[in-house]
Amino acid sequence: AQKVTQAQTEISVVEKEDVTLDCVYETRDTTYYLFWYKQPPSGELVFLIRRNSFDEQNEISGRYSWNFQKSTSSFNFTITASQVVDSAVYFCALSDGDGANNLFFGTGTRLTVIP
Amino acid sequence: GAVVSQHPSWVICKSGTSVKIECRSLDFQATTMFWYRQFPKQSLMLMATSNEGSKATYEQGVEKDKFLINHASLTLSTLTVTSAHPEDSSFYICRDKGELEYEQYFGPGTRLTVT
Repeated sequence: AQKVTQAQTEISVVEKEDVTLDCVYETRDTTYYLFWYKQPPSGELVFLIRRNSFDEQNEISGRYSWNFQKSTSSFNFTITASQVVDSAVYFCALSDGDGANNLFFGTGTRLTVIP
Repeated sequence: GAVVSQHPSWVICKSGTSVKIECRSLDFQATTMFWYRQFPKQSLMLMATSNEGSKATYEQGVEKDKFLINHASLTLSTLTVTSAHPEDSSFYICRDKGELEYEQYFGPGTRLTVT
């Protein structure tokens, strides 16, 4: 069965600090997709990244970077030089690869960036 | 990418009344839509999968007679919360499947408050 674990419930950092949000997943599928979403106070989910199971290259997008390691079933997300606007709840999610397109969410990590 | 809209964005209703939430795929014909519920400070939980022209598939523990889903066209799925109670107060989010299995397009959500 698919499962996503975000062990960090809440994190607080001071502005300009780097912060890493952890995500560990479980799946029996060989083909799957991993996602990160940001949910600001407004509630709307903001798509950040999608990674398929065959692409283990790390990715960097501005201040955001992602570290995908199949050996440890982890897909961690790092924000460098954090800003107050980064304050939000971040969800890691897993989509199975059987075409049903089900999406399994972790419990989320609430990030607070203190000015 | 596809754009998904929801209406209303927020609604307050009295206990015992019914509320209809619409989810529209604006530029893509979505044969499948997903409905999620998110209680405060919790993760998104899949309620049901809505299939155009057929009955919805409900997740375990979700009452199909209470949460009526209709997917009568390729661009519109509706969720009706019948005889709403305060415990139904939640954030309801829809998602369409997209053409490719890794595509995920979420609506902006509907915040329901039952008094």
